[in-house]
Amino acid sequence: QVQLVESGGGLVRPGGSLRLSCAASRFTLTDYFMSWIRQAPGKGLEWISYISSNGRATYYADSVQGRITISRDTAKNSLLLQMNSLRAEDTAIYYCARMKMIRDVILTYAMDVWGQGTTVTVSS
Amino acid sequence: QSALTQPASVSGSPGQSITISCTGTSSDIGGYEYVSWYQQHPGKAPQLIIYDDTWRPLEFSSRFSASKSGNTASLTISGLQAEDEADYYCSSYTNKNSLVFGGGTHVTVL
Repeated sequence: QVQLVESGGGLVRPGGSLRLSCAASRFTLTDYFMSWIRQAPGKGLEWISYISSNGRATYYADSVQGRITISRDTAKNSLLLQMNSLRAEDTAIYYCARMKMIRDVILTYAMDVWGQGTTVTVSS
Repeated sequence: QSALTQPASVSGSPGQSITISCTGTSSDIGGYEYVSWYQQHPGKAPQLIIYDDTWRPLEFSSRFSASKSGNTASLTISGLQAEDEADYYCSSYTNKNSLVFGGGTHVTVL
């Protein structure tokens, strides 16, 4: 079964750094655009970043631009999110998601496979 | 990029139909055919129910349908069932190569 499993969340102090991982199963990460989405406690979904299938293009939400970097570890078939200069408002569940392709070539900008999420808490 | 606008809550009785609206601008919803909708039950990850404005994944119930007019997209749930009680989010691609979500709508089955 196609699956995504996030890890790396935890408690970090303001100004600190954290690296999240998302391991993909039953599909090859580099065949798809991949995205990170977060959800603050009791709040809605917020898209924060995506990376193109060839890894050459990355895009970020204004709220995290300059503080986070999305990348892939192709050997481990994993998506990564390096987060620096963390703030209290970055506290959230972080989901990785696969962006749906039609007939393997047409990108839909919709997320069809989601991980279970990993929780990041930024607090002193 | 401002969030898309959704009603905070919508309710209906079993068997009824309800519609959730999602309003954006010509820079997102109105400019592309990339609106998607997600269902999220408490404590669970979101699940895709509509993509490319109106297309439904084969594995999802035909009771869910979507439409779009100008800068507003809509999700309709027909034959409302207890298991439809959840949060629903719309999303769109934008002219800044980004994605934007709506604030979410909680659906209550009375």
